[in-house]
Amino acid sequence: NAGVTQTPKFQVLKTGQSMTLQCAQDMNHNSMYWYRQDPGMGLRLIYYSASEGTTDKGEVPNGYNVSRLNKREFSLRLESAAPSQTSVYFCASSIRTGFSYEQYFGPGTRLTVT
Amino acid sequence: AQTVTQSQPEMSVQEAETVTLSCTYDTSESDYYLFWYKQPPSRQMILVIRQEAYKQQNATENRFSVNFQKAAKSFSLKISDSQLGDAAMYFCAYRVPSGSARQLTFGSGTQLTVLP
Repeated sequence: NAGVTQTPKFQVLKTGQSMTLQCAQDMNHNSMYWYRQDPGMGLRLIYYSASEGTTDKGEVPNGYNVSRLNKREFSLRLESAAPSQTSVYFCASSIRTGFSYEQYFGPGTRLTVT
Repeated sequence: AQTVTQSQPEMSVQEAETVTLSCTYDTSESDYYLFWYKQPPSRQMILVIRQEAYKQQNATENRFSVNFQKAAKSFSLKISDSQLGDAAMYFCAYRVPSGSARQLTFGSGTQLTVLP
């Protein structure tokens, strides 16, 4: 049971380049989330998917798109990377979006945009 | 909007001693959950303990316990018999059962150092 996996672990982009961060979970969870973590701050929600086929904006969605490819996979795309998107990105999953359900986090992707 | 405040950016504790990390939050909700997450250098976010707001009894998980003061909107984490493996960044987080984002709201974290 790998839990939540993310690829890549590290990435450096030039301003204007695009890329997709991949996330997969093998716990048969319905809900998945993308967060970003900036220095000196806690995690902030970018997008989430309550169930397969649905996605919704979180606190900081601008500059990102997501795709819930199937129940296991939830990807985050940066269409035109900006230095302000330099951050550590975490994917998480939970059985459902109910507030009592624990979220399980992946190991994170450290993204630098120059 | 809900906010979570951790006023101690850094704390240190001697191995085997006890340390308390502080957290306060601001909310108008009456029903919510509070969490403490640990983030070691591996960056993995690990749930340490959680507390349901409707429960008066403080949550306990082995060496970790909380002091939940609902009226004061305070949620501190006590680590007893500290171990070297407890060294990490600790985040307090808050979640409500409804709302547009259904998100965890995190504090800015407290970096805990355990001294041998």
